Amino acid sequence: ETGVTQTPRHLVMGMTNKKSLKCEQHLGHNAMYWYKQSAKKPLELMFVYSLEERVENNSVPSRFSPECPNSSHLFLHLHTLQPEDSALYLCASRADHADGAEAFFGQGTRLTVV
Amino acid sequence: SQQGEEDPQALSIQEGENATMNCSYKTSINNLQWYRQNSGRGLVHLILIRSNEREKHSGRLRVTLDTSKKSSSLLITASRAADTASYFCATVALPSSGSARQLTFGSGTQLTVLP
Repeated sequence: ETGVTQTPRHLVMGMTNKKSLKCEQHLGHNAMYWYKQSAKKPLELMFVYSLEERVENNSVPSRFSPECPNSSHLFLHLHTLQPEDSALYLCASRADHADGAEAFFGQGTRLTVV
Repeated sequence: SQQGEEDPQALSIQEGENATMNCSYKTSINNLQWYRQNSGRGLVHLILIRSNEREKHSGRLRVTLDTSKKSSSLLITASRAADTASYFCATVALPSSGSARQLTFGSGTQLTVLP
């Protein structure tokens, strides 16, 4: 148990569906991340939220929309996805300070787009 | 752009042997971290080495960092079957080299320890 909880653990959705992934942490961290992990590919950083800025990977399609209502919760809203979006989506949180710190990961959401 | 690159991509060893994995990166860093991932699960932090450190130990793990070569290595001694997993290096960039909030991962090394 890392202190970072992702729901759901598994999700199957059609290309016309709208769904949301949820991530929650109560570790007091002020930075939260979404990563995409596809088979045989590096972890792809999708979005970073901290108190002061949002950083996003410009290659992430607009059908992925993040939301961070507060420092403990992070969502990834999905709409009109494609089969190639099937992957393991990982959330992480971290205490963002000048010295850097380790990231704590959730168990991931295994997404299948049919 | 891909920051960390692990080498080799896959490694298979016998129980009791040592496993060495390497990581190269491109930009100036604040620190470098190693993580482990069991199949289909989240990543777990193993060890962090700061840019002003050259070597660090934690149990059976030994990490080195060479900032002049922009490379790091992870050594697992006396490996066990339970060490079978994917291992990733991750870097935190210096603010002048990118956002300090970005934690960028490499492609990973798949380690298999045979009993």
